[in-house]
Amino acid sequence: GENVEQHPSTLSVQEGDSAVIKCTYSDSASNYFPWYKQELGKGPQLIIDIRSNVGEKKDQRIAVTLNKTAKHFSLHITETQPEDSAVYFCAAPSSGTYKYIFGTGTRLKVLA
Amino acid sequence: DSGVTQTPKHLITATGQRVTLRCSPRSGDLSVYWYQQSLDQGLQFLIQYYNGEERAKGNILERFSAQQFPDLHSELNLSSLELGDSALYFCASSVAAGREQFFGPGTRLTVL
Repeated sequence: GENVEQHPSTLSVQEGDSAVIKCTYSDSASNYFPWYKQELGKGPQLIIDIRSNVGEKKDQRIAVTLNKTAKHFSLHITETQPEDSAVYFCAAPSSGTYKYIFGTGTRLKVLA
Repeated sequence: DSGVTQTPKHLITATGQRVTLRCSPRSGDLSVYWYQQSLDQGLQFLIQYYNGEERAKGNILERFSAQQFPDLHSELNLSSLELGDSALYFCASSVAAGREQFFGPGTRLTVL
């Protein structure tokens, strides 16, 4: 069945450093890849997404890259700040539907 | 604030009971999705509705059911509750299937 693998499960970085989270997906028909940030006690918040017709998208300190051949996509956060600390989830749509398959999440801790 | 509202925020009940979770999508969104988030299963898709009709089903138990009403709000009904049903239940909405999904703050269900 469809699967989305996410690594690492936890990540600690010093404030100001960069953080990279990687996901791989199994369904080659997937064409939309969102990233969500979930803070404690809150719902997932869409922070950036990418469609399969582009290889990279950037929004200020956040960027997402997509390699369709290798079936993986990554979230890059530069100049990390303490408020970036949260759990980050990647997702990909299940084949032929609009339901998301979520990765298992990455707990990012930015150390001041 | 995503614009998606969910009530109640917390729910504590006993095994065997039945509860109803409510979701109001963002203004203009026709599609509603329900997800379950537990520590051991991560974020799992349950069911999707579009303009009142069921569009996709995930691993939703037979004890669970949902509907979307003419005013587009949705309810998730959970019956014969078991301890293992304790989880966060999120609703998300999108303007149309395949578009960005925005999540509500969730309902934390505790079954004692």
